[in-house]
Amino acid sequence: AQRVTQPEKLLSVFKGAPVELKCNYSYSGSPELFWYVQYSRQRLQLLLRHISRESIKGFTADLNKGETSFHLKKPFAQEEDSAMYYCALENNAGNMLTFGGGTRLMVKP
Amino acid sequence: EAGVAQSPRYKIIEKRQSVAFWCNPISGHATLYWYQQILGQGPKLLIQFQNNGVVDDSQLPKDRFSAERLKGVDSTLKIQPAKLEDSAVYLCASSFHTSGPYEQYFGPGTRLTVT
Repeated sequence: AQRVTQPEKLLSVFKGAPVELKCNYSYSGSPELFWYVQYSRQRLQLLLRHISRESIKGFTADLNKGETSFHLKKPFAQEEDSAMYYCALENNAGNMLTFGGGTRLMVKP
Repeated sequence: EAGVAQSPRYKIIEKRQSVAFWCNPISGHATLYWYQQILGQGPKLLIQFQNNGVVDDSQLPKDRFSAERLKGVDSTLKIQPAKLEDSAVYLCASSFHTSGPYEQYFGPGTRLTVT
């Protein structure tokens, strides 16, 4: 069975502070991992995927297979980063996406 | 390109009643997904279609939930009869590719309240 855990329901930081949203997973195969984001009154949308090794809106995420983690990081938070963030894992067959419970990021001015 | 469309946006029904949700995916997207998102939780996959065939419905409560995707385009998700615990946002998503890891595009969701 595959499982994704986001231990923090809420993360509150001040503008300009570093941000780290934690994600841990449980999966027996080789995982494909994603971060999805939902801004207020908008649809859930892809932020980044680990296979692309990209930085989107200043966010990066590194897959650590030893710690089974895929934490999302940004060195300097902006107010517009305030949103719900979901970590998700796709199985090897590419046909099942499992989401974590989500972390609400609040960036205070 | 137009996004994933869903209707209705909101629905309130009494327990034991039936309800249906509609989804129109992005044109050309072969794969369609229905998710249930209960308040305070992440989305949970209910069923996945590839064209008009079911790929995975292992988490669909088949005693009360049903879904179809006729002609491999639009899809409907039905609940009959509804229970209080079915109160949730029902999300539809689509993907161009038939296997991952590729982006899923989500609709705005239908918020169902069962009283």
